[in-house]
Amino acid sequence: DTAVSQTPKYLVTQMGNDKSIKCEQNLGHDTMYWYKQDSKKFLKIMFSYNNKELIINETVPNRFSPKSPDKAHLNLHINSLELGDSAVYFCASSQFDSTGNTIYFGEGSWLTVV
Amino acid sequence: AQSVTQPDIHITVSEGASLELRCNYSYGATPYLFWYVQSPGQGLQLLLKYFSGDTLVQGIKGFEAEFKRSQSSFNLRKPSVHWSDAAEYFCAVGIYTGNQFYFGTGTSLTVIP
Repeated sequence: DTAVSQTPKYLVTQMGNDKSIKCEQNLGHDTMYWYKQDSKKFLKIMFSYNNKELIINETVPNRFSPKSPDKAHLNLHINSLELGDSAVYFCASSQFDSTGNTIYFGEGSWLTVV
Repeated sequence: AQSVTQPDIHITVSEGASLELRCNYSYGATPYLFWYVQSPGQGLQLLLKYFSGDTLVQGIKGFEAEFKRSQSSFNLRKPSVHWSDAAEYFCAVGIYTGNQFYFGTGTSLTVIP
């Protein structure tokens, strides 16, 4: 039973297209994230939502638009895809509890723009 | 500003040898500390975490890590490496005041027979 699931896992698309990646978590967490991992494996936070409200919005092109219909879902829509958008996109979620705060990741979505 | 440093970009060890991956952090207070592992083509899996208490933390797959406040370090260790441990390892810091996590640049581990 996957805790953080994202679809699709692989996505190959042409420049200029618009695509979406969906994410769902069944952990009951209040906070969800999108991270981008580049070819050098560096993880960069893109967005963070807490209870459907945007709380972190790093310097990301406005072609990227997150949407959180409810606290269990955080989707990422990308307009006018560019070659430089090719990366792995990770959805994640976290929650403060008595043991602290831990972030859990989905399996990643490998986006290739050609 | 918070930061996480993993000084070793790539490490190669022989199967059966011991392993230590280094992690240093910069933060004004004691943060939450984590190690994650990413196998090729996979997501990040939590190996272990430190929040408080015993500074030696045990994790999955035989890994352990030790928090040393004086050195601002949280090094990951394993006494005997298996070929399946070949992966990318990430150290991360979480701060108490918000849902923010900072990741190191990762250490790539190669295991040779």
